[in-house]
Formats: sequence, structure tokens, C-alpha cells
Amino acid sequence: SAVISQKPSRDICQRGTSLTIQCQVDSQVTMMFWYRQQPGQSLTLIATANQGSEATYESGFVIDKFPISRPNLTFSTLTVSNMSPEDSSIYLCSVDADQSSYNEQFFGPGTRLTVL
Amino acid sequence: LAKTTQPISMDSYEGQEVNITCSHNNIATNDYITWYQQFPSQGPRFIIQGYKTKVTNEVASLFIPADRKSSTLSLPRVSLSDTAVYYCLVAPYSSASKIIFGSGTRLSIRP
Repeated sequence: SAVISQKPSRDICQRGTSLTIQCQVDSQVTMMFWYRQQPGQSLTLIATANQGSEATYESGFVIDKFPISRPNLTFSTLTVSNMSPEDSSIYLCSVDADQSSYNEQFFGPGTRLTVL
Repeated sequence: LAKTTQPISMDSYEGQEVNITCSHNNIATNDYITWYQQFPSQGPRFIIQGYKTKVTNEVASLFIPADRKSSTLSLPRVSLSDTAVYYCLVAPYSSASKIIFGSGTRLSIRP
């Protein structure tokens, strides 16, 4: 298994500002994923981040709005840029389990973002 | 990726067996079926995964018929702590495979 921590756990931000969310894993992983979960809704995949390459974004998400860094095999950041109230959500990162169990991901506790 | 359909919500009582069925008519030959559980204010947690017939672990059983167009997650003797959202996912069995969450089933267990 993998233990994932996220910082901050929650934040309240003003519109027009940016927030960077950190995701730290206790072991080296190849792929990291970023999701958004709006209140009462399912999770929506934002992007997939591999170390050493550009993140791959899902339809409806762009790098200018959600820049992602993946400097090493245990860490990633997601920035929510030029925020609006519509960006209020829980943002979660996840990682693949080890090679013995495909399609099993471990999730962080999430970052609850409120934009005023 | 194959689309999945599952009930929006279900209610049951402590001690009962709960079966949640998921439809995935367009499942591909190399797709596996995976179920996740999400408690309030937590990230989802992997429960069980299978390809065909039956898979059982300490948490649940997964039943998959021969045509694989549906699957049923079975939770034996549920307790209040099983109240959660349950997601059925279908994806190729690959270390590089992204997973897409459907709408999920909100399970409420009553005393």
C-alpha cells in the first residue's frame, strides 16, 4: 500500500488568486493522478502526471488553469489558477498501487477548497 | 472506456446482505471490473476487482456473469460503518491505465 498526504487539507481563497496543492507519497510511484470532486458528486479526473514528462489533461481541463508539476517519484503539485467560485471542490491525488495489482489506486485525503 | 450504470442510492439494515449491481454493456475483452468505496470526507478505497465468475476477499464478493455485461458487488452482513458511496469502474488491466469514476451508489445502512 501507499500512504499519501496532501497539503493544505483545506483553504478558503479569494477569486482571482491561485492555490498550489501538494501531494506527497511515502514510496516511489510511476503515475500520479489528480481528481476533482464537487460537493455530492463523483470524482472527475483532471490529469495524469508522470515523472519527467508533461502531464496529460482530460477533456475540459487545461494546463493554464491547472498546471501540474512532478519533480520526482514521490511528489506532485496541482495549482488552481485564477480561481472562481466554480472551482470550489475537493481536490484529490492518487497513485497506482504496486505492479501486482493493476487498476488499484491509493487516494490522498483530499484538499477542500472554497473560493469566495 | 466502457460506461457503467448503477443505482443512485440504496437503503438496507444492519445484518443484511447488500447487493449492488452495475451494468457495463460495452465492456471490452481486456477490461477488468473494479469497485471502490468512499466514506464521507475521505478519498476512495479499492475494495475488489475481477474479470469473470466470482471473486471474494475479506470485505466483499464480486459476481460476474459469463457475458460480463454486468457485475454485482455483495456485502455480507452490513453494519452502520458500511454507509458509503460505492463506485463500479471498468478499465483495461494495465499499470498505465487511468480509471474513470461513474456516478456511484450511495448506500445507507440503518440500525
